Amino acid sequence: AQKVTQAQTEISVVEKEDVTLDCVYETRDTTYYLFWYKQPPSGELVFLIRRNSFDEQNEISGRYSWNFQKSTSSFNFTITASQVVDSAVYFCALSSYFTGANSKLTFGKGITLSVRP
Amino acid sequence: ETGVTQTPRHLVMGMTNKKSLKCEQHLGHNAMYWYKQSAKKPLELMFVYNFKEQTENNSVPSRFSPECPNSSHLFLHLHTLQPEDSALYLCASSGEFNSPLHFGNGTRLTVT
Repeated sequence: AQKVTQAQTEISVVEKEDVTLDCVYETRDTTYYLFWYKQPPSGELVFLIRRNSFDEQNEISGRYSWNFQKSTSSFNFTITASQVVDSAVYFCALSSYFTGANSKLTFGKGITLSVRP
Repeated sequence: ETGVTQTPRHLVMGMTNKKSLKCEQHLGHNAMYWYKQSAKKPLELMFVYNFKEQTENNSVPSRFSPECPNSSHLFLHLHTLQPEDSALYLCASSGEFNSPLHFGNGTRLTVT
């Protein structure tokens, strides 16, 4: 069985602070994908990143960076110099590489991030 | 129009009503999904359709009845719901193998 744990439920920071959102996962698969999605107040989940288990290189995209540590089964997400527009619920998700033609994701419960001006 | 569109955005219904949620995707994707998002719980996958064929039913009660007439449209027919069915219902679509999901804005359903 797969499981995604986002232990932090709510985080509040002041604008321009850096913030790290934690994600720990469990899977028996040797090959899998990890995702982060953002859900702003409008409701739709917005795809941020997909990483496969082959590639442990950290990734940076603008103010966003991701730290994948296979040894600790973690895939943490850092926002540098946070902005009010970053306020949203952030979900970490996991899928097996061999789920067939569809992406059947296991989601965490989400972390509500509030960035205050 | 692009992306995944869901209607209505909000729906209030009584337990004896029958209503339908609609989802349309303009991304040329082959797979469509219904997810349920309840407060304080992870998103729950309900149904998956691939090329109009249902490939996943995640033990969803029969009071939820999906319909996928083509790869661009997905419906969720609702009847005799319970108050605990109140939630945000999200539609999503995806393209090739293990590709990211594209979500709609969701329908906020309240069952009274």
